[in-house]
Amino acid sequence: QSVLTQPPSVSAAPAQKVTISCSGSSSNIGKNYVSWYQQLPGTAPKLLIYDNNKRPSGIPDRFSGSRSGTSATLGISGLQTGDEADYYCGTWDSSLSVGVFGGGTKLTVL
Amino acid sequence: QVQLVESGGGLVKPGGSLRLSCAASGFTFSDYYMSWIRQAPGKGLEWVSYISSRGDYIKFADSVKGRFTISRDNAKNSLFLQLSSLGAEDTAVYYCARTQASNRLEYWGQGTLVTVSS
Repeated sequence: QSVLTQPPSVSAAPAQKVTISCSGSSSNIGKNYVSWYQQLPGTAPKLLIYDNNKRPSGIPDRFSGSRSGTSATLGISGLQTGDEADYYCGTWDSSLSVGVFGGGTKLTVL
Repeated sequence: QVQLVESGGGLVKPGGSLRLSCAASGFTFSDYYMSWIRQAPGKGLEWVSYISSRGDYIKFADSVKGRFTISRDNAKNSLFLQLSSLGAEDTAVYYCARTQASNRLEYWGQGTLVTVSS
């Protein structure tokens, strides 16, 4: 049972856009910045979005992030087959004093 | 470039101990918080622990508190995780990650697999 809630899976066709939601509470998403991570099959996770909506150097602008209240959203536009991966949201929980993740969302590009 | 390389994983019996290491390069190790995150086979990410840049502020997940110890050697650019009283539920790939505010995990190592089994 993850502290942050994500849909288990999403799918869309190539070139389309998909969004992945991440729901939390006032002690985590509502109070702290959210990061998103991409985990391609068989590899380590990679930082995709930080501070709710910032992209590290080298991450294309097809990837975007937003936060509203106690929820965050990852958007991926211009989908490519290479985007098929598991995506995780993460942040700090100020009440629990621990790092927290969502359960992960598997993206399938049909 | 930033590089993190974990080592020390392996097969250990229930109740046993193991020490994981993370060798850092490509950045000033002593300037950064560092974290350990684990991923059980076929499961999601679980935050385990973090340590401040000087090693004077440490946090653990409740699931490992009292059993795991985190430490670092800034002179040797190394991070450690001592695992003890291991159970099957600790079987996972363990990743180290360079950490910024709000648990932003900027760079990850490739992971080291810990298997707890008799």
